[in-house]
Amino acid sequence: AQSVTQLDSQVPVFEEAPVELRCNYSSSVSVYLFWYVQYPNQGLQLLLKYLSGSTLVKGINGFEAEFNKSQTSFHLRKPSVHISDTAEYFCAVRPLRGGYQKVTFGTGTKLQVIP
Amino acid sequence: EPEVTQTPSHQVTQMGQEVILRCVPISNHLYFYWYRQILGQKVEFLVSFYNNEISEKSEIFDDQFSVERPDGSNFTLKIRSTKLEDSAMYFCASRLGLDNEQFFGPGTRLTVL
Repeated sequence: AQSVTQLDSQVPVFEEAPVELRCNYSSSVSVYLFWYVQYPNQGLQLLLKYLSGSTLVKGINGFEAEFNKSQTSFHLRKPSVHISDTAEYFCAVRPLRGGYQKVTFGTGTKLQVIP
Repeated sequence: EPEVTQTPSHQVTQMGQEVILRCVPISNHLYFYWYRQILGQKVEFLVSFYNNEISEKSEIFDDQFSVERPDGSNFTLKIRSTKLEDSAMYFCASRLGLDNEQFFGPGTRLTVL
């Protein structure tokens, strides 16, 4: 079984400041890692994913995340946030193989960008 | 770009009524999923569907829930007798194969009064 922990339920940050949203996971099997964004009243949009290879993954809208296997973390970062980044961000994992590979989500982090 | 669509975007129903939430997955996809998100909580897996049968379901997916792919394009979630605690956002998702990305729909917000 897999679990995902997002310790910060809300993160306020000033516009143009950097931000880091933390994600830790646990799994008995190898997993793929994802970050999804949910804008108000909208569905889930994939921001980025780590499947293999370089541990630094770049996604859309200037976001990037770094996979750290030893710390079982996949923190999301952006060097300079914009008002339009205000949304809820979900970290997620799914097994590489076995079963039908459902996605397990964290509880989400609400990013509030302050003008 | 192909996308998963869901209708309606918002459904309001009385407790005890049956509801059907509809999804149109991406046309060549083979694996289908329903997830739900109770307000303020995380997105939770409900059920996966492949080859016209349920392949995996969570403990949430009890006898009140059923899924169906009635034709080649729709994928539905039925809740037989809704309860207040069924109020949530329901997301449909589909993927081409197990090694492919899962695409999510925009969700249906279900409100049970």
